[in-house]
Amino acid sequence: GQSLEQPSEVTAVEGAIVQINCTYQTSGFYGLSWYQQHDGGAPTFLSYNALDGLEETGRFSSFLSRSDSYGYLLLQELQMKDSASYFCAVRDRMDSNYQLIWGAGTKLIIKP
Amino acid sequence: DAGVTQSPTHLIKTRGQQVTLRCSPKSGHDTVSWYQQALGQGPQFIFQYYEEEERQRGNFPDRFSGHQFPNYSSELNVNALLLGDSALYLCASSLEAAYGYTFGSGTRLTVV
Repeated sequence: GQSLEQPSEVTAVEGAIVQINCTYQTSGFYGLSWYQQHDGGAPTFLSYNALDGLEETGRFSSFLSRSDSYGYLLLQELQMKDSASYFCAVRDRMDSNYQLIWGAGTKLIIKP
Repeated sequence: DAGVTQSPTHLIKTRGQQVTLRCSPKSGHDTVSWYQQALGQGPQFIFQYYEEEERQRGNFPDRFSGHQFPNYSSELNVNALLLGDSALYLCASSLEAAYGYTFGSGTRLTVV
């Protein structure tokens, strides 16, 4: 079967650094995406890794190791507005079409 | 540049009724995907439309159907509503084979 595993909840302090891990087991793999979703809001695209290594975008970085079927999202200099749910999603391919397979999400709680 | 627009934002229906949800994709996007998100869960893929055809379908019963129009907008129809259909329904648009999806704010459907 296809599955993505990520922690259900992570707590961190404002100004700190937090890492959200994601392990996956899918029939195919074309890339790992991360999305942020605030309560009641739409998921917003954060990053995409198709190759191994670290991608940095401002305070957010995302890492991928295809050999380990593992990735993580790193958030630095945490701000209260970063309190949200974070989803990893694998881009897979069925027949000739791409699809996203989603994890259940990690709720990030930030304390002052 | 308008993003993805969904209507209505909220909807209350009775068991057994039928519902139609609407989505206008981001300008320039030609592919529309629909997701169901239960409270505290990740989005679950319903189906994807491209060139007015259903290209791919998730594990949802035939009560869930859709349509894409020549202007790329899309509808999701659910027949014979069940209490378990209560969820946030998200529409995401993209360019074919692109990895970044743009989501609408969703339609919150409550079945009573």
